[in-house]
Amino acid sequence: SSELTQDPAVSVALGQTVRITCQGDSLRRYYASWYQQKPGQAPILVIYGKNNRPSGIPDRFSGSSSGNTASLTITGAQADDEADYHCNSRDSSTNHVVFGGGTKLTVL
Amino acid sequence: QVQLQQWGAGLLKPSETLSLTCGVNGASLSGYQWNWIRQPPGKGLEWIGEINHGGDTNYNPSLKSRVTFTVDTSKNQFSLKLSSVTAADTAVYYCARLRPTVVIQYFDRWGQGTPVTVSS
Repeated sequence: SSELTQDPAVSVALGQTVRITCQGDSLRRYYASWYQQKPGQAPILVIYGKNNRPSGIPDRFSGSSSGNTASLTITGAQADDEADYHCNSRDSSTNHVVFGGGTKLTVL
Repeated sequence: QVQLQQWGAGLLKPSETLSLTCGVNGASLSGYQWNWIRQPPGKGLEWIGEINHGGDTNYNPSLKSRVTFTVDTSKNQFSLKLSSVTAADTAVYYCARLRPTVVIQYFDRWGQGTPVTVSS
């Protein structure tokens, strides 16, 4: 399958650690990348590849990958982290970019 | 600082053609894939397709029959046309730069988004 699967919603207590996952066959060939999107705003890149953070992204964001599953971990979640998180990759068989359905993160 | 600035009509009637353009400031078109992505209200991101500086295209099969991408290297911009729109095409449309590597395919720059509504 060329799809990426994400849990629709996840919650975390303020200051705790949360893991958001992304599953799909395309992740066996390409690493996932992760985007944070707040209401009314364009997505921004937070993690790309195995565990790379663009400049300006706090180090509480980290990434990991195993087999067909990629994870985005937020260590010490802040209220400002409440957002939708999307993963993407590329399907090597079709060469099409694929996105997960997105995960809505609530910080309690 | 690389910036993507997009523009185009935001209100269309059914059967009309959606037309958007994305201007790239601060970077060459060469070496990247230039993408269009859309997000229907309350839903996730949907990849529409990509074009490179040479004009090679790659479209989402679900939209391929209605989509045309073009690139204008002299103006450092690329464009999307989506024909025969319906209410199902109502969405926020984003342009984005994709950096392709051997093992990662990631969008490192995004346009501001253009809300498009299709309504009679």
